This record gives sequence, structure tokens and C-alpha cells, in this order.
Amino acid sequence: KAGVTQTPRYLIKTRGQQVTLSCSPISGHRSVSWYQQTPGQGLQFLFEYFSETQRNKGNFPGRFSGRQFSNSRSEMNVSTLELGDSALYLCASSSTGTLYNEQFFGPGTRLTVL
Amino acid sequence: AQSVTQPDIHITVSEGASLELRCNYSYGATPYLFWYVQSPGQGLQLLLKYFSGDTLVQGIKGFEAEFKRSQSSFNLRKPSVHWSDAAEYFCAVGAGLDSGGYQKVTFGTGTKLQVIP
Repeated sequence: KAGVTQTPRYLIKTRGQQVTLSCSPISGHRSVSWYQQTPGQGLQFLFEYFSETQRNKGNFPGRFSGRQFSNSRSEMNVSTLELGDSALYLCASSSTGTLYNEQFFGPGTRLTVL
Repeated sequence: AQSVTQPDIHITVSEGASLELRCNYSYGATPYLFWYVQSPGQGLQLLLKYFSGDTLVQGIKGFEAEFKRSQSSFNLRKPSVHWSDAAEYFCAVGAGLDSGGYQKVTFGTGTKLQVIP
């Protein structure tokens, strides 16, 4: 079974731009979560989608948004990029209907904001 | 609010030596507890998890962890470290619902493990 894939792997943007990251979960997994990883703040939970509905969310501003499609693929969008948005964005998928079960992580998308 | 602390930022051990990585959490009840490993340039991989039951949990790659309620700890151990174990290790806590009614997973800041021959 193929693992979680994320595209693109690397991205460079400038302040004020917007960006869309994509995540394809493991086949059959209906839950997709997004995390931001930075040296200063560590790993922080952004939000989780299950069957196309946002079910859980962390404490991030509205510039961070996401969606999930009927095939469980998910996209995350960040608008009006700030320098502090530079991070590794990780996507994780799960087969169960709770955030408190095993999540399978993708390799991440490294976003650099200049 | 839940929190998790990994007091050791960096640990160096010799190959073949034993390993213990510390994790302390703060939560009123028993939370869901996880240990993940992240190799350079890769995502996280679950080593083991604890929900309830036996407080000694066996995971993959020869790792185990022990839940100690009295100490609010969930330390990760391995009896004999291999060079391939060099990576960053994250403890995570999942518990209840936050003020917005959402589930929440909180990760520790991580412990980088260096293995010397």
C-alpha cells in the first residue's frame, strides 16, 4: 500500500503571496490532518478533515485553511504569506474516526517564505 | 490545558548501550500517549501508543515505554541502541476536548538522539 504523499516537496514563495499544498492519504483512509513544524514552535496541529468536513482545528489564524475532496485527498492553503510561515508542513492520514489513534505521516512540504 | 515536556533536547549514547528518553505530561485524567520518531528529511513514524491497560507498552524497532500515572510520565526505552536509531523522537499527548470542543494532539519539543560507534 502506498504511503501518504505530499506535493510539492519544496516551495519558495514571497511575503504576501498565497500557497496551496496537497496531500494524498493512504488508500482507504478518510481522515487527513495537517501539522506545522518549525524549530521555534515545534510540531503544531493545524486541522483535521474527515469525509470532507473539518472536524478538528488548532489555534491558527484564518489565513490557514484547508479542504478535503471526495477521494479523501486534501489541500491546505495559506494566504498572505508571512516570513513566520516558513516551516515544514506535514500531512497525516488515519483510518479511524478519531484524532487519538495512529496517524501515518507524509514526508512533508518544506515552505520557505522570502 | 494539556501539555507535554521532553526535558532532554539532545542525547548521545554509544551503540549497544541502553536508552531512556523522558516524557512528562500534564492532564487531569489519563490521556492518549504516543511516541513518534522522525528521521532527517522524513515524516513521523509511530513507535508505540498507550490508551489503557498494561502500563508497559511494546512498540516497533525494539522500543518500549512505561506509563507511570503517579509521575505523569511516559518514558521511552530501548535496551540496546543501533546506529540506525539516530533520529528525533517526539512524545505526544491526546486528551479530551479543548474549549472549542475539538480534539487536540500536543507534541513535545523533541529529543535528538545521536549514536556514536
